[in-house]
Amino acid sequence: EIVLTQSPGTLSLSPGERATLSCRASQSVSSTSLAWYQQKPGQAPRLLIYGASSRATGIPDRFRGSGSGTDFTLTISRLEPEDFAVYYCQQYGSSPTVYTFGQGTKLEI
Amino acid sequence: EVQLLESGGGLVQPGRSLRLSCAASGFTFSAFAMSWVRQAPGKGLEWVSVISAAGSTTYYTDSVKGRFTISRDSSKNTLYLQMNSLRAEDTAVYYCAKRVTGTVGYFDLWGRGTLVTVSS
Repeated sequence: EIVLTQSPGTLSLSPGERATLSCRASQSVSSTSLAWYQQKPGQAPRLLIYGASSRATGIPDRFRGSGSGTDFTLTISRLEPEDFAVYYCQQYGSSPTVYTFGQGTKLEI
Repeated sequence: EVQLLESGGGLVQPGRSLRLSCAASGFTFSAFAMSWVRQAPGKGLEWVSVISAAGSTTYYTDSVKGRFTISRDSSKNTLYLQMNSLRAEDTAVYYCAKRVTGTVGYFDLWGRGTLVTVSS
């Protein structure tokens, strides 16, 4: 079973700064099956990035996903106050069918 | 409006059962696989189960196999999760989520969740 490890656990930054979040898989995964979600307190997760680098509908272009193989990155170019949240990466495997989430990175001011 | 609305959560004793529901609206429910994802208090997301669009295929995470059953009623646009033999570690907010079509496995629509607390 593939394990996704996110780092750092907590990232403390200020509005206007650049955030770089990492997601490392225990073995190579298909880029098409890697997604990123944002979750704010008391809210459901929201899809940000799918296929490792494609932005979901309505997601601002300051969010960028990249990577392949075992190393994936979510970059937020200029932090806005509303970007402070927890971010999860997620991978889908078909043999066996399983959906795996990373443990999350908390982005805080 | 495109939305998912979960219900059925609550406080239940260990070993008892509970059935969660998720009402879908604003999209063609029968065309999409659906899933349950849970989040224990203060913890991360954990996938629980998925059901195919037709309802013929289901998968579960190991910790709930044999105890939980996912099902759907497309005539009612509703997804269900029957949870039996509940344990304290099943305590979580349970989200239903719509899976994107195709071989990619991500979720583009989530409900607001329903809290299940397993405690005596």
